[in-house]
Amino acid sequence: KNEVEQSPQNLTAQEGEFITINCSYSVGISALHWLQQHPGGGIVSLFMLSSGKKKHGRLIATINIQEKHSSLHITASHPRDSAVYICAVRDQFYFGTGTSLTVIP
Amino acid sequence: GAVVSQHPSWVICKSGTSVKIECRSLDFQATTMFWYRQFPKQSLMLMATSNEGSKATYEQGVEKDKFLINHASLTLSTLTVTSAHPEDSSFYICSARDPTGSRANSPLHFGNGTRLTVT
Repeated sequence: KNEVEQSPQNLTAQEGEFITINCSYSVGISALHWLQQHPGGGIVSLFMLSSGKKKHGRLIATINIQEKHSSLHITASHPRDSAVYICAVRDQFYFGTGTSLTVIP
Repeated sequence: GAVVSQHPSWVICKSGTSVKIECRSLDFQATTMFWYRQFPKQSLMLMATSNEGSKATYEQGVEKDKFLINHASLTLSTLTVTSAHPEDSSFYICSARDPTGSRANSPLHFGNGTRLTVT
């Protein structure tokens, strides 16, 4: 069993749709990362959060420490959001297997 | 712009040769850098934690004599894949922790990765 589980593994959405990606973890953490990996391989850190909710543009990340669960939401999705989204648990650097998102125009 | 520069972005080498990958922090001093490996369609796997001025900490199953890490300055860590074999072909990524703020809140910045192909 992986320490970090993500769902779904693959997601196809129409442009404009609201998207949710989920992450559950089994280890203790002080913070959780949401990462975005583009087809070329480069990784961008979207959020680092340890409680509550953070918002950046059309992206929203929430975390429930008690339930060991985090979600990444994308509002008004756009084809440029197409990427692999990875949940990472900071302290021990466990990574989810990623969610491959494709947004169709 | 990028705050962590990784070089080269891709490299092809012959079996038995060694390859060095550099990871530089551009806008901050990084006492800690991290090296990851990623196989196709899989997520990142932490290989080692690179500590400036001291020995790297390797994750279980990662051969330290195979993957040599040097963190000689606060802005540069290098990963050398020694005596490379085709099974070492992979995507290698580094990250560096920006020390501003508390340890629990210091953000990670990633390099763009190095695609290694060993023939």
